[in-house]
Amino acid sequence: SQQGEEDPQALSIQEGENATMNCSYKTSINNLQWYRQNSGRGLVHLILIRSNEREKHSGRLRVTLDTSKKSSSLLITASRAADTASYFCATPYTGGFKTIFGAGTRLFVKA
Amino acid sequence: DTEVTQTPKHLVMGMTNKKSLKCEQHMGHRAMYWYKQKAKKPPELMFVYSYEKLSINESVPSRFSPECPNSSLLNLHLHALQPEDSALYLCASSPGPLSSGAMTDTQYFGPGTRLTVL
Repeated sequence: SQQGEEDPQALSIQEGENATMNCSYKTSINNLQWYRQNSGRGLVHLILIRSNEREKHSGRLRVTLDTSKKSSSLLITASRAADTASYFCATPYTGGFKTIFGAGTRLFVKA
Repeated sequence: DTEVTQTPKHLVMGMTNKKSLKCEQHMGHRAMYWYKQKAKKPPELMFVYSYEKLSINESVPSRFSPECPNSSLLNLHLHALQPEDSALYLCASSPGPLSSGAMTDTQYFGPGTRLTVL
């Protein structure tokens, strides 16, 4: 089974609304990361949250981590059309020797 | 310079061709990665280099051959590819492994090479 699964798979909202995406993982981790990918481009790192942190903010982004439930959420507030992209969570795997990406959530923000 | 560059941006090749993808970073990172990404799927790890040595090969077919000539450069040599190898190939780098060998750093990605195999 896959380390790092996300829901929803796709999300369509109006500009100005908030967008929430969730990520679940299976093994113990020391950190979890979120990345954004615009269509057909490289991934851009958004935020890293460590296992001893419960919540982290960066601009309009808010990430939470619940290690007891092995889950994380990414909240984008006051979304903009430019936030349209795919969002992936990423977790260290096999002792941290590599990073595994979740299936991703495709976000579409309508202007 | 906080950028990872990849060339070419697009590549079309026949199944008998030999071509190479190139990746470069000048951030002093000691870990470099190749990923393959199909449409609407997450990136899949192919290879990891740590201090210019191959540390992870995710059972990638031998028609893909990575090379790390120096700490700034990563190549992926392609030979006798199949149409199903058509994908976006992403290169990434990170500061490097911890003393334990674990890689838990943020990765910096290049824009990718869109490969089409005819």
